[in-house]
Amino acid sequence: DADVTQTPRNRITKTGKRIMLECSQTKGHDRMYWYRQDPGLGLRLIYYSFDVKDINKGEISDGYSVSRQAQAKFSLSLESAIPNQTALYFCATSDNRVSGANVLTFGAGSRLTVL
Amino acid sequence: AQKVTQAQTEISVVEKEDVTLDCVYETRDTTYYLFWYKQPPSGELVFLIRRNSFDEQNEISGRYSWNFQKSTSSFNFTITASQVVDSAVYFCALPSGGGNTPLVFGKGTRLSVIA
Repeated sequence: DADVTQTPRNRITKTGKRIMLECSQTKGHDRMYWYRQDPGLGLRLIYYSFDVKDINKGEISDGYSVSRQAQAKFSLSLESAIPNQTALYFCATSDNRVSGANVLTFGAGSRLTVL
Repeated sequence: AQKVTQAQTEISVVEKEDVTLDCVYETRDTTYYLFWYKQPPSGELVFLIRRNSFDEQNEISGRYSWNFQKSTSSFNFTITASQVVDSAVYFCALPSGGGNTPLVFGKGTRLSVIA
């Protein structure tokens, strides 16, 4: 099994629908992140969490929310999806220790299409 | 603000050629880490290297080498004797707010190695 598992891997939905992308990890890492990838724009940070009680906005948090249900689980929600949220979404984890910080382990990605 | 620029959007080389991927960064910090990640056609993102700014020695790992120059704020990545399996999108990154804050990524360079 993958260290970081994202579900669903692919999703097509309609404008206005609520969507949840889930991420679970077996790395035992405290830090978890959601990034979005768009062609030509690289990866942009949506939200991140350094432990279960910690939630922080990233560069592009508008239109998204997250929940850190446990150390191993970090879900991303789109309350009312819009077409410009069509993208590839990555969950990632990293260690809290300085030696491991930002050495990210990524999930396989969730491709979301909003029609 | 911290910023990473990868000016080369796409590069195409013939197998066995050497290729250098450029990364220029901006940071307020006096010490910092720099990173490279690889995204092969399969889509997953893989950590390649992390370097600390106080260590300007070149890093070599097999056919991969990294040249870090603080004077020009560059952290370039060279692949020697490129192979088809090196075809991927490569991202350079550094902490967005210094220290162990989440990474800000460049827009990536797509490398195509032709047999």
